[in-house]
Amino acid sequence: DGGITQSPKYLFRKEGQNVTLSCEQNLNHDAMYWYRQDPGQGLRLIYYSQIVNDFQKGDIAEGYSVSREKKESFPLTVTSAQKNPTAFYLCASSPRMGKLFFGSGTQLSVL
Amino acid sequence: ELKVEQNPLFLSMQEGKNYTIYCNYSTTSDRLYWYRQDPGKSLESLFVLLSNGAVKQEGRLMASLDTKARLSTLHITAAVHDLSATYFCAVGDSGGGADGLTFGKGTHLIIQP
Repeated sequence: DGGITQSPKYLFRKEGQNVTLSCEQNLNHDAMYWYRQDPGQGLRLIYYSQIVNDFQKGDIAEGYSVSREKKESFPLTVTSAQKNPTAFYLCASSPRMGKLFFGSGTQLSVL
Repeated sequence: ELKVEQNPLFLSMQEGKNYTIYCNYSTTSDRLYWYRQDPGKSLESLFVLLSNGAVKQEGRLMASLDTKARLSTLHITAAVHDLSATYFCAVGDSGGGADGLTFGKGTHLIIQP
């Protein structure tokens, strides 16, 4: 089945630690995205990538990093510089100019 | 900067009633999307609206787009409990590029028996 797989479903971060959220898609989509969702809020764009080996900052990129070495994969690293990382993180992909397809999300919490 | 506003942000209604959720956006756009999110879950695509006057219907939900007014509506007819969820509208930039969508804050809908 085609889709977007995010892992892990739940993740805990200790202070000063970097953590990486995985996102894999087998839809052959060019574009991939990371969004952050806080309780009762909409989604805010962290980073996006339109093509392999290229990515752009979204509205709230500070404290995060990404890579796009393969078309299928777009991992997000939450660095220690992100002081308020607790949120629900959603990865999405889209064909060019198409709608976004979302993964099941990762809930990140701070210990 | 593109801004997207939804209202109401919270709506409690009874089964069998009709209601409309509104989505306003601040700059020209050629594509608007409606998504549904159940608690703790991901977003499910409901409608894609790509032109002025577009109207899409699926079951008890109907979405429309007025690009001149920069307004989309999501109308619920004869609501049932299963429609309880949070509904988001999202707008793409006018260039048609893959720069991501800008989301409204969502409308938390509770439908009571």
